[in-house]
Amino acid sequence: AQTVTQSQPEMSVQEAETVTLSCTYDTSESNYYLFWYKQPPSRQMILVIRQEAYKQQNATENRFSVNFQKAAKSFSLKISDSQLGDTAMYFCAFRGRGGGADGLTFGKGTHLIIQP
Amino acid sequence: EAGVAQSPRYKIIEKRQSVAFWCNPISGHATLYWYQQILGQGPKLLIQFQNNGVVDDSQLPKDRFSAERLKGVDSTLKIQPAKLEDSAVYLCASSLSGDRQPQHFGDGTRLSIL
Repeated sequence: AQTVTQSQPEMSVQEAETVTLSCTYDTSESNYYLFWYKQPPSRQMILVIRQEAYKQQNATENRFSVNFQKAAKSFSLKISDSQLGDTAMYFCAFRGRGGGADGLTFGKGTHLIIQP
Repeated sequence: EAGVAQSPRYKIIEKRQSVAFWCNPISGHATLYWYQQILGQGPKLLIQFQNNGVVDDSQLPKDRFSAERLKGVDSTLKIQPAKLEDSAVYLCASSLSGDRQPQHFGDGTRLSIL
């Protein structure tokens, strides 16, 4: 079974600063996907960024980028030029690629607060 | 494109009562998931459907939880009888078939057990 660990329950930074959220995971699979989801108070989970494990290049989406270290099983999210609207819960998630069962395994989340 | 629709948005019941949640996925999405999110935790998968068949229900407490997707479109999740520890947000997600397809989530139903 897979596990996902987010060791930072809460982080707070000033607007326009850069912040990095940490995530580690454990799996015996070699091919899988990793995700970062954002959950604002409205509760809807919004996909921020996705990384395929077989790709060595780190994914980027505008101000969001990841540092994927497969050997270390580490998958951190960097948010550059942080904005007030980035305030939310952020969840790291794992999805395997085998057998059709592809539900997500989530970490406990990091509450990110962007201060004006 | 319309998103994943869930209802009701909130539900309050007493323990030992029954409750049902409804989910309508994005049109054309063959795969549907139900997740349980307890306060302070990440969502946990309860059940995954592919069309009207169950793919994974290994984490569904089958003594009290049931789910169906009879026509392969909308789905209902039921709890009977409810326990205090069932207080949570119940999230529905859907995706197109294929492991490269992202999951799209609804706004969830917040269940409170008194």
